[in-house]
Amino acid sequence: AQKVTQAQTEISVVEKEDVTLDCVYETRDTTYYLFWYKQPPSGELVFLIRRNSFDEQNEISGRYSWNFQKSTSSFNFTITASQVVDSAVYFCALSEARSGGYNKLIFGAGTRLAVHP
Amino acid sequence: ETGVTQTPRHLVMGMTNKKSLKCEQHLGHNAMYWYKQSAKKPLELMFVYSLEERVENNSVPSRFSPECPNSSHLFLHLHTLQPEDSALYLCASSQGDRSTDTQYFGPGTRLTVL
Repeated sequence: AQKVTQAQTEISVVEKEDVTLDCVYETRDTTYYLFWYKQPPSGELVFLIRRNSFDEQNEISGRYSWNFQKSTSSFNFTITASQVVDSAVYFCALSEARSGGYNKLIFGAGTRLAVHP
Repeated sequence: ETGVTQTPRHLVMGMTNKKSLKCEQHLGHNAMYWYKQSAKKPLELMFVYSLEERVENNSVPSRFSPECPNSSHLFLHLHTLQPEDSALYLCASSQGDRSTDTQYFGPGTRLTVL
């Protein structure tokens, strides 16, 4: 069965610290997609990144970077030089490739990140 | 308006009321989704519509009734709700031509049932 585990419930850091949010997933499929979303206090889930299971290259976007390791079924997210605006709940999600014109996302429980000045 | 919008943003209703949540997407997508996010559970998928046809109903109680009149609009009709239905209700849409599409979310409706 599919499952996404975000073991860190809450993380608290001081501004400018680097922080890594962990995500471990389980799936039997060889083709799947992984996502990260950010949910600020306003409530909206903001899409950050999507990776497919065949692309293990790490990705960097500004202060954000993602480390995908198939061998350990992990897709970790690092924020470099954190800022107060990064305070939010971050969700990791898994989607299997399947027939049909829609997808089903399996979300982790989320990690609440608090960045203090 | 751009992206996915939801109205109202906040709603307080009694258990005997009938109300509706509205979602509108301005992205030209063909699939729309309703999720429930409560404090005690992770995000739960409730319903999925693809090309205006309901394709997924995850054992949601009948007091929640979805409606998708066209690919841009999605409603969630509520009646005789229970206090445990209080939650953030999120709408999302995706392109709908592949099962691996990215879902884009609206800001949600915060529902309180008294």
